[in-house]
Amino acid sequence: DAKTTQPNSMESNEEEPVHLPCNHSTISGTDYIHWYRQLPSQGPEYVIHGLTSNVNNRMASLAIAEDRKSSTLILHRATLRDAAVYYCILRYNNNDMRFGAGTRLTVKP
Amino acid sequence: KAGVTQTPRYLIKTRGQQVTLSCSPISGHRSVSWYQQTPGQGLQFLFEYFSETQRNKGNFPGRFSGRQFSNSRSEMNVSTLELGDSALYLCASSLAGDIKAFFGQGTRLTVV
Repeated sequence: DAKTTQPNSMESNEEEPVHLPCNHSTISGTDYIHWYRQLPSQGPEYVIHGLTSNVNNRMASLAIAEDRKSSTLILHRATLRDAAVYYCILRYNNNDMRFGAGTRLTVKP
Repeated sequence: KAGVTQTPRYLIKTRGQQVTLSCSPISGHRSVSWYQQTPGQGLQFLFEYFSETQRNKGNFPGRFSGRQFSNSRSEMNVSTLELGDSALYLCASSLAGDIKAFFGQGTRLTVV
């Protein structure tokens, strides 16, 4: 299985943008890049996904490198409610998601 | 639209016993997956069911099993419980062919 590498933790100030990086150098052409987040005492929550082009939704933006070996999840204005563990996952059209350790995001007021 | 419902939310069992956990997916979702989450191993994929058939299986011993019913509800069973089975068990559902999964809040199993 293709693997992802993320920093263990990151900090941000409230209302500032946050860039969460993910490396996936062994990604295959058919792997989608997914991001999920897990708030305390909750199950993971879908954030965004993409294949080749950058993607935007109401929660975040996903910037994908041209060679697809890395991607960045962008939270445009972090709030305290965005404090969570963020997982970057490679996935091909099934529900067998191989989660890594994720990045624990701390948002400071 | 109701989300993914897992029951019970909390469970305490004794070593050697067996346990059955239940997951009701979002209405219309035919795919149900199960995950185990522990502090040491993180989130690990157990298995996925689609239209009552197991479609994928993770690297867990045979003590872990599951099934899906015709209404897409799913159960997972763990037999001969070990202390190491203490974990948060999460269920996720998705539409057929959709790659966006919705997770329940999980069942917290404690084995004593």
